Amino acid sequence: EAGVAQSPRYKIIEKRQSVAFWCNPISGHATLYWYQQILGQGPKLLIQFQNNGVVDDSQLPKDRFSAERLKGVDSTLKIQPAKLEDSAVYLCASTLSGQGRETQYFGPGTRLLVL
Amino acid sequence: GEDVEQSLFLSVREGDSSVINCTYTDSSSTYLYWYKQEPGAGLQLLTYIFSNMDMKQDQRLTVLLNKKDKHLSLRIADTQTGDSAIYFCAEGPTGRRALTFGSGTRLQVQP
Repeated sequence: EAGVAQSPRYKIIEKRQSVAFWCNPISGHATLYWYQQILGQGPKLLIQFQNNGVVDDSQLPKDRFSAERLKGVDSTLKIQPAKLEDSAVYLCASTLSGQGRETQYFGPGTRLLVL
Repeated sequence: GEDVEQSLFLSVREGDSSVINCTYTDSSSTYLYWYKQEPGAGLQLLTYIFSNMDMKQDQRLTVLLNKKDKHLSLRIADTQTGDSAIYFCAEGPTGRRALTFGSGTRLQVQP
């Protein structure tokens, strides 16, 4: 079974530029999560999708971050414009239905450096 | 709100036992998890415990849960150099809420 795929693995941009990350969850997984992991901290949820609908985006800085999962499969996370404090690893995870004790499978992450 | 706390660093010698501790605040947490993160990699689920259990053993891993004190620990027996990584405690989900992670404990295993 293929795992959660993310691209790119690394990205370096200058502040005020835009950047987009892509995630392909495990096939058949309805729930998809984007987490932000700042160096030295644990992952923090940015947004959670159930199929193509948003379940929780309360921690997403909506003035600069956006995410979509149009067909309920792949997802993209965009930052526009980027700030220095956005430097972090962006992790995508998925679960089968998002309920109860379901293992969240994580992708390898996209490491973003904003200069 | 939810909060999960961990100590930052633990150093042990190869062959010794490691104990990583975690405290959490959300008493409604249904499950508590331990994840492992190696350099440059995503998070790997090691084990989990349901909130009505006190202990769970899985090969070299033992999880202890003190629900009254909201304290969770992970014991790794016969620690190996390959166990060197960052270990994250996480709580949830309740319903469809996502996981809340601690800041991670860096385990260093010395040969």
